Formats: sequence, structure tokens, C-alpha cells
Amino acid sequence: ETGVTQTPRHLVMGMTNKKSLKCEQHLGHNAMYWYKQSAKKPLELMFVYSLEERVENNSVPSRFSPECPNSSHLFLHLHTLQPEDSALYLCASSQDFEAGGNNQPQHFGDGTRLSIL
Amino acid sequence: SQQGEEDPQALSIQEGENATMNCSYKTSINNLQWYRQNSGRGLVHLILIRSNEREKHSGRLRVTLDTSKKSSSLLITASRAADTASYFCATDAADSSYKLIFGSGTRLLVRP
Repeated sequence: ETGVTQTPRHLVMGMTNKKSLKCEQHLGHNAMYWYKQSAKKPLELMFVYSLEERVENNSVPSRFSPECPNSSHLFLHLHTLQPEDSALYLCASSQDFEAGGNNQPQHFGDGTRLSIL
Repeated sequence: SQQGEEDPQALSIQEGENATMNCSYKTSINNLQWYRQNSGRGLVHLILIRSNEREKHSGRLRVTLDTSKKSSSLLITASRAADTASYFCATDAADSSYKLIFGSGTRLLVRP
């Protein structure tokens, strides 16, 4: 139990579907992250929210739409995805000290394995 | 661009042996972190070492940092089959207060 819960664990969807990934953290952290992990590629940061405000958006296609309604929940809304979007999507959280979250450990959920047909 | 680069890409050892993994990076950093990922699971934070530190220990783990060589190593002593996992280093990014840049990882197999 890492304190970060992601649902669903597995998702298969067609390219025309709309679905959402959910992340919830029970650690009292104030920064949350979405990462994409593809086979044989380094982990890619997609979005960062600090205190419910988006602070990073790493040139992610608009077919991925994040939402952070409060500091404990993070969503990733998906629509008209492409086959190359098949990957493991990881959510993480950290405490936001000293002007940034990258000087603190990040706590990851177990991810959603996404397959696009 | 990729910052951390782990070496070797894969490592297979016998239970009880020590495992050493290396990480090299390109630009100056404030801190470097090591993470472990078991198959099908998320990443688990192991150790964070700051740029003014040279060595850090946590149980059977020892991390060193050489900022002059822009490299770090992770040593796992007396390895166990349960240590089988992928290990990643991550560095902070100069252009962001939030971004961690991960390497491609070392896949460690500990044979019983």
C-alpha cells in the first residue's frame, strides 16, 4: 500500500472512446503528477499539479486532458487516442516544499495499463 | 533530452552477492533519487541524495554521488530474490521546479 491508488488497473479502449483514469492520494501531499511509461523508454512526465493548479504541461497532445478537483484527486480524461498511446500511466504525489516538488521523494501508484485497439 | 543513464541495462546475480548499478547524468543537479519498480507495479522511492552529500545508506542500500564525474552508484549488499526489479535514477531538472528526469533503468535479476 503506497498511499496512492489508481483505477482502473487495466483499460482497453477503442480509438473513438472516451474514458478517464483516476488517482487518489491519502498522504496529505499537495503536488500530483501524471507520467507515461512506454516499453524501452524512460518515464515521461505529462502533467504536474501543485495546490490544484497546473504548473507543468509537457507538450502533451490535447487528447489527454487532466483535471485536479482537489489536492487528493487527479484525473486524466482520454479521447480519440492513438495506438502509440498504449502504455502504463502512473500517478504520483509529493510534498511541495522549498519552491518545488523535485527535491522531495515522489510516491507512485501502481498505474493503469492502457491498451488502444 | 535524457538526463540519467543507468549502467548496466541488465544485471543477473546469485542471491547473497552484491549488486552495483551506475547512473550518469549530463547537467548540474540539486539532488538525485533512486527508485525501484517491481514488474507490473509503480515506482518505489529508495533514497534521495543531495548534491552536497557524497554517500548515503539505508539498510542494505548504499548510494554514492560524485558531482565532479556527474555519476552516482547504487549498491545493494547481500542481495535477495525479492530485490529482483528495475532500478531507476532520477535527477531534478534545471528548467523546472517539479520535473524529475528518469533514466531507462537497470533490470536486476537475483537468482535464488
